[in-house]
Amino acid sequence: GAVVSQHPSRVICKSGTSVKIECRSLDFQATTMFWYRQFPKQSLMLMATSNEGSKATYEQGVEKDKFLINHASLTLSTLTVTSAHPEDSSFYICSARDGRRSSYNEQFFGPGTRLTVL
Amino acid sequence: QKEVEQNSGPLSVPEGAIASLNCTYSDRGSQSFFWYRQYSGKSPELIMSIYSNGDKEDGRFTAQLNKASQYVSLLIRDSQPSDSATYLCAVNRAGNQFYFGTGTSLTVIP
Repeated sequence: GAVVSQHPSRVICKSGTSVKIECRSLDFQATTMFWYRQFPKQSLMLMATSNEGSKATYEQGVEKDKFLINHASLTLSTLTVTSAHPEDSSFYICSARDGRRSSYNEQFFGPGTRLTVL
Repeated sequence: QKEVEQNSGPLSVPEGAIASLNCTYSDRGSQSFFWYRQYSGKSPELIMSIYSNGDKEDGRFTAQLNKASQYVSLLIRDSQPSDSATYLCAVNRAGNQFYFGTGTSLTVIP
């Protein structure tokens, strides 16, 4: 159980285009999804937290107009990188948890999406 | 002070030895504690969770929690080369407040 998928696993795009990344919880309902970014040999950096049906909460320094997050259902959240630039190239990872289960508090991570902006 | 601190390593142990990974946290109100393993180029994978003081064993892995000392550790017995990875300690204060350490790099030498 507790499987999270991400799509696509890898994407290459031109500078100025937008890229959408999907995160799905396959066998549980995710009341909360988290979006992280990780640069090579660096630690995870939390970008935003989204609760189903409400607006995402962004971490300091993360532009909400550039990184659009939608969490419209209990199994799907999307991250759209708008007007991508080479400095947005990174490994984007989502995670999900079911906050209603107090004895089951873990975050489960998707496999990640490697974005390369040319 | 960081919420969660880990020694970045690298930690090297010979195959078959016990690897000991340590983590301290700053908030006494923290409730849940997790260890994730992350292979290079991959996303983190949950390997242990612990909620109460003491030891929790799962196969070759043992998590230890000491809330009085604000300390959580992970022991890996009979270390294998396939255990070579970065190990992330994570702490949940409440609700959606999670904090990750920067990770400890472990290398198991054949």
